[in-house]
Amino acid sequence: NAGVMQNPRHLVRRRGQEARLRCSPMKGHSHVYWYRQLPEEGLKFMVYLQKENIIDESGMPKERFSAEFPKEGPSILRIQQVVRGDSAAYFCASSSTNTQQFFGPGTRLTVL
Amino acid sequence: KNEVEQSPQNLTAQEGEFITINCSYSVGISALHWLQQHPGGGIVSLFMLSSGKKKHGRLIATINIQEKHSSLHITASHPRDSAVYTCAVLGGGATNKLIFGTGTLLAVQP
Repeated sequence: NAGVMQNPRHLVRRRGQEARLRCSPMKGHSHVYWYRQLPEEGLKFMVYLQKENIIDESGMPKERFSAEFPKEGPSILRIQQVVRGDSAAYFCASSSTNTQQFFGPGTRLTVL
Repeated sequence: KNEVEQSPQNLTAQEGEFITINCSYSVGISALHWLQQHPGGGIVSLFMLSSGKKKHGRLIATINIQEKHSSLHITASHPRDSAVYTCAVLGGGATNKLIFGTGTLLAVQP
């Protein structure tokens, strides 16, 4: 049973470009969470999704950021018009209902 | 004041020592996670607790719901235990989002 998978592991973008981060949850998990870790800071919640639904997006910046978890395929975190302040490690986690969250290896985004 | 506080922030130990990291929280929770992250590495979920005590190898986690406090213990510490340890609480209700502590940077010296 493969764990949570994220790709790419490293992503470099220039200011103004778009970044797409993918997360495939563990088999059987229908809950996906995205977290951000800014340099030298702790983890912060961004968004919680179930299949085709956003349950809680209280941690998402209001502009440029969006997330989806379609019926088929991975969850996508999309950052439009990236800025240097978006440089961070983005982790996703998955769970089934009310169970332990398991984390992916993260995507390290660098904005030049 | 953060909703989840950890102590100490930094901890240096000699190999073989018994280590304790503490976590206190001020919100109602349904469960608490202990996470481990090696420098530049991914996040490993060590435990999820809602009551009592759990043990896995040299790691022990306890939680006291009444006192809103949890501890992570490492017995016979080893340099490979060097990492950041973070507690994260799961609030009740419809959202399953984790609220993270500030993390404890542990360095175990040989």
